[in-house]
Amino acid sequence: EVQLVESGGGLVQPGGSLRLSCAASGFTVSNSYMSWVRQAPGSGLEWVSVIYSGGNTHYADSVKGRFTISRDNSKNTVFLQMNSLRAEDTAVYYCAKATVAVSPFDYWGQGTLVTVSS
Amino acid sequence: EIVLTQSPATLSLSPGERATLSCRASQTVSSFLAWYQQKPGQAPRLLIYDASNRATGVPARFSGSGSGTDFTLTISSLEPEDFAVYYCQQRSNWPPTWTFGQGTKVEIK
Repeated sequence: EVQLVESGGGLVQPGGSLRLSCAASGFTVSNSYMSWVRQAPGSGLEWVSVIYSGGNTHYADSVKGRFTISRDNSKNTVFLQMNSLRAEDTAVYYCAKATVAVSPFDYWGQGTLVTVSS
Repeated sequence: EIVLTQSPATLSLSPGERATLSCRASQTVSSFLAWYQQKPGQAPRLLIYDASNRATGVPARFSGSGSGTDFTLTISSLEPEDFAVYYCQQRSNWPPTWTFGQGTKVEIK
């Protein structure tokens, strides 16, 4: 059974950093296309970043230069390092799996809440 | 950047009624057009991919159609568990980015 479990969210001050984790089971992250998608309170979905099976990474303009996606194949886990956090980064962050680059997000984690506030 | 506009923002219907949700793209998109359902406090769930293919386990009352810039999600007869927010999604080839519509809330009338 495919499962994605996010962790690492919490309260952080503006300008601070946080690292989110997405532990996967039931499939291999290095063979998949793993994305982070966020949802601000009361708002819609916003794609944040992707890491391809080959290791290529891409980012939304809103986070480029501040966020870094990576993975640890030995732990079957994907990470999102978030630096220079802003109030507008406050959201529930979901990790999501796609089989190939042009396939939809067929599995999602339950999300982890990041709150950026002083 | 392709923008997806969903309408209406809110759809007030009764169980058993037919729901028709629209997703319009600002320019022609590829066949990659997906629909997701999200209930309060839950992660999104994939319903439709490639505009008209139902995901595994999705009931037959859900159907997708459209091409080019205009896409539709139809729920033929609403069940109580279908009242939720629905999002459409598209993928741009380069740079690789994914965009969601702003969502349509289907609420009980």
